[in-house]
Amino acid sequence: ETGVTQTPRHLVMGMTNKKSLKCEQHLGHNAMYWYKQSAKKPLELMFVYSLEERVENNSVPSRFSPECPNSSHLFLHLHTLQPEDSALYLCASSQDITAQETQYFGPGTRLLVL
Amino acid sequence: GENVEQHPSTLSVQEGDSAVIKCTYSDSASNYFPWYKQELGKRPQLIIDIRSNVGEKKDQRIAVTLNKTAKHFSLHITETQPEDSAVYFCAASRTGGYNKLIFGAGTRLAVHP
Repeated sequence: ETGVTQTPRHLVMGMTNKKSLKCEQHLGHNAMYWYKQSAKKPLELMFVYSLEERVENNSVPSRFSPECPNSSHLFLHLHTLQPEDSALYLCASSQDITAQETQYFGPGTRLLVL
Repeated sequence: GENVEQHPSTLSVQEGDSAVIKCTYSDSASNYFPWYKQELGKRPQLIIDIRSNVGEKKDQRIAVTLNKTAKHFSLHITETQPEDSAVYFCAASRTGGYNKLIFGAGTRLAVHP
């Protein structure tokens, strides 16, 4: 695998379930990001990690819990989600946290909350 | 707060025509403006970017122009082809702090043969 990978690609879950999204980057980057993409809305930045340290939590509800065990892996743990959380969740990485570094995106996880 | 307005939301052109997408940003300190292309079911991919010390940048059939005074920048695609059909996102960021991109809402471009 090359670039940024995400699993699963599709996920259906009930509001009481607990699930996790996984992102892995094979680019040797030091910064990783979670974005939420909803229809006809701008990509919303959720979390930013630099060298496994969280740099930004963009006012995201606590039902979303990120984890970055090392600079190559990023998780998003989900619990007691709401139907309005249904969206495409994109992971991205960049060489480092410096502004103007190109961000490389994964293919996303399409999440449906019933 | 910071935001980026993008227009139009949808654009339909005939193959061979030109397409122009425009974005306006609110943060006057923004100095980096990338454009991403997202084909149906695929990931967003950077296609071109411009920095504030440059007014225009070209790469084959695509070009981006920047007007810092007016705080707007545009993507120009010439000689459009069906494979240009996708959603295009503009973004803006500023130096300092971390690598935070503020995205526009996207433009769905359809190129008809």
